Amino acid sequence: KAGVTQTPRYLIKTRGQQVTLSCSPISGHRSVSWYQQTPGQGLQFLFEYFSETQRNKGNFPGRFSGRQFSNSRSEMNVSTLELGDSALYLCASSFSIPGALTGPNTEAFFGQGTRLTVV
Amino acid sequence: GNSVTQMEGPVTLSEEAFLTINCTYTATGYPSLFWYVQYPGEGLQLLLKATKADDKGSNKGFEATYRKETTSFHLEKGSVQVSDSAVYFCALSLDTGRRALTFGSGTRLQVQP
Repeated sequence: KAGVTQTPRYLIKTRGQQVTLSCSPISGHRSVSWYQQTPGQGLQFLFEYFSETQRNKGNFPGRFSGRQFSNSRSEMNVSTLELGDSALYLCASSFSIPGALTGPNTEAFFGQGTRLTVV
Repeated sequence: GNSVTQMEGPVTLSEEAFLTINCTYTATGYPSLFWYVQYPGEGLQLLLKATKADDKGSNKGFEATYRKETTSFHLEKGSVQVSDSAVYFCALSLDTGRRALTFGSGTRLQVQP
């Protein structure tokens, strides 16, 4: 079956612009999480969605936002881009509901990421 | 807060050598622990996990044991291969109704033939 699909794979934007990244989870998965990966800060949690509701949010400014649609696809948006937003943005999907860490199908499957470069 | 500390890399080994990557954690609750692997140009893949003390996760020859007394989850493999060259991330997640993963900084493994 198809894995987690993130589009686009690469993106170059200018400081001050906004950007929207897309994530299509594995079919049947309803939980989608987003992470930012940078050389300096490593992997940091952005937010998590389940059934179109944001269930958890990391420590990022309000310029970072997201949403989830009824088909579980998710988008994240970054407004007023800064040079420091250059990163690999990873999306992960999971079948289980939030908190079900010990049951079956709890693994989070990651996409290949979107490489955002802000110039 | 919650945090994960991994040994600094890169770790360079010859093929068939024994591998240990240290991981220790700090958590306010009782976490589940994970090892993820990232190959060049790829996303993360779950390598193994453990959800309670003394559990041993294993996969593809890799093993890690959840040690609550030492708050550790060290990754080991008896005989590494060139194809194991990648970046390895230790992570934790608290069973509080939220699935956010807290990652370590990653350890790059380079295996030479």
